[in-house]
Amino acid sequence: GQNIDQPTEMTATEGAIVQINCTYQTSGFNGLFWYQQHAGEAPTFLSYNVLDGLEEKGRFSSFLSRSKGYSYLLLKELQMKDSASYLCAGKDSNYQLIWGAGTKLIIKP
Amino acid sequence: DVKVTQSSRYLVKRTGEKVFLECVQDMDHENMFWYRQDPGLGLRLIYFSYDVKMKEKGDIPEGYSVSREKKERFSLILESASTNQTSMYLCASSLMPDRATEAFFGQGTRLTVV
Repeated sequence: GQNIDQPTEMTATEGAIVQINCTYQTSGFNGLFWYQQHAGEAPTFLSYNVLDGLEEKGRFSSFLSRSKGYSYLLLKELQMKDSASYLCAGKDSNYQLIWGAGTKLIIKP
Repeated sequence: DVKVTQSSRYLVKRTGEKVFLECVQDMDHENMFWYRQDPGLGLRLIYFSYDVKMKEKGDIPEGYSVSREKKERFSLILESASTNQTSMYLCASSLMPDRATEAFFGQGTRLTVV
C-alpha cells in the first residue's frame, strides 16, 4: 500500500533550527512536496524534490533520499509565524498526491 | 497569483440535506480536486477532474458526487448529508497531471452536519 509517515507534533524554540522528517512508500515516485498550513487556512506550497539532495530556499530547505524513501524539511532561524502544520506529500506513478497527516510545529519564545 | 476560491468558509447543514460546495479557479488549470481534511488524517481525495465533464473517483467517493461543466468551476455535491461528513473540505487546482507542479488550494469550507 501507499503510505506517508511524519511525526504528529514537534516543539522548537524561536531562533533555533528544526528538522521535520517524512518517510514515504508510494507506487512509483514522481516527487515529494512539502506544504505549510496555518490553522484554519489553506495549505501553501513550500518545496518540491524529485532528485536526491538538498534544495535550499531561504530559511527553509528540503532534502530527499529516494533510495531510503526519506525526506526532511529543515527550518532555520525559527520565527513565531512558523507555527503551523507541515504536510508531506508524495506523487505516485499516476501523478496523484499521497498525503501525510501533517506535523504540527509549535514555536516557543 | 493563482486564485482558488471556495464559495463558503463555514456551512451548517441538517442531516439529509443536499449540499453544494463550489470552487472556482482563475488560472486555466486542467486539474481540479476535492479533498477532505480531518484531524489526525492526511488529506483524503474525494474526486478529481482532468477536464471539463470528466471526473474520476478518489479514495473516498461514497456519499459524494461532482460536476465540472466549465473548466474553471468544480462543484462537490453531498447527495444526502450525514454527520460523518462533518469536515474541512479543500478544493485544489493544478496544471496537467504529468507535470511535477504543485497544487493550489482554496481557503477551505468547514462543513458541520447536525
